[in-house]
Amino acid sequence: AQSVAQPEDQVNVAEGNPLTVKCTYSVSGNPYLFWYVQYPNRGLQFLLKYITGDNLVKGSYGFEAEFNKSQTSFHLKKPSALVSDSALYFCAVRDGDYGNNRLAFGKGNQVVVIP
Amino acid sequence: NAGVTQTPKFQVLKTGQSMTLQCAQDMNHNSMYWYRQDPGMGLRLIYYSASEGTTDKGEVPNGYNVSRLNKREFSLRLESAAPSQTSVYFCATYRGGAYNEQFFGPGTRLTVL
Repeated sequence: AQSVAQPEDQVNVAEGNPLTVKCTYSVSGNPYLFWYVQYPNRGLQFLLKYITGDNLVKGSYGFEAEFNKSQTSFHLKKPSALVSDSALYFCAVRDGDYGNNRLAFGKGNQVVVIP
Repeated sequence: NAGVTQTPKFQVLKTGQSMTLQCAQDMNHNSMYWYRQDPGMGLRLIYYSASEGTTDKGEVPNGYNVSRLNKREFSLRLESAAPSQTSVYFCATYRGGAYNEQFFGPGTRLTVL
């Protein structure tokens, strides 16, 4: 079974500082990894994904994430945080070697960017 | 092009009442999902449908039933609502192939008293 851990409940960062949201995963086969963002009272929006290829993937709104197979991690990063980045961030994984398209989500991290 | 739509947006039920949450998509995706979101729990899969005519249980199916009416619509039914089912419910679709993306509806906020 696949699973995701997001160890921090909340990440506080000053505007303009680098933002990192941590994610580790567990799957039997090859991992397909995703980050989603949720703004208040909205559904989840796709940010970026890693399927194969370059370990550093770039996504929407200036976010990027680095896949590290040895550490089974897929941390989300942004070089300079904006107040508008304040939201709930979810990491998700699916097993790329098996046929079902089910994602396992982490519990989410609340990001608060302080002006 | 509305994407994934859900009705209603909000609902309050009394314990024991029944209701159906509706989900529709206009993206022609085969796979559809129902999740519930609870604070500190992330999203948990209730049921999913890989294609029209098929449904499968997810992580937390107890107390729920689903119907994949056609390719566009996937409904979630609570036969006898309980306070433990107070949650935000999200419907999602999946675009496979080279994309591997899920698309989410805006959610239904359900309170069971």
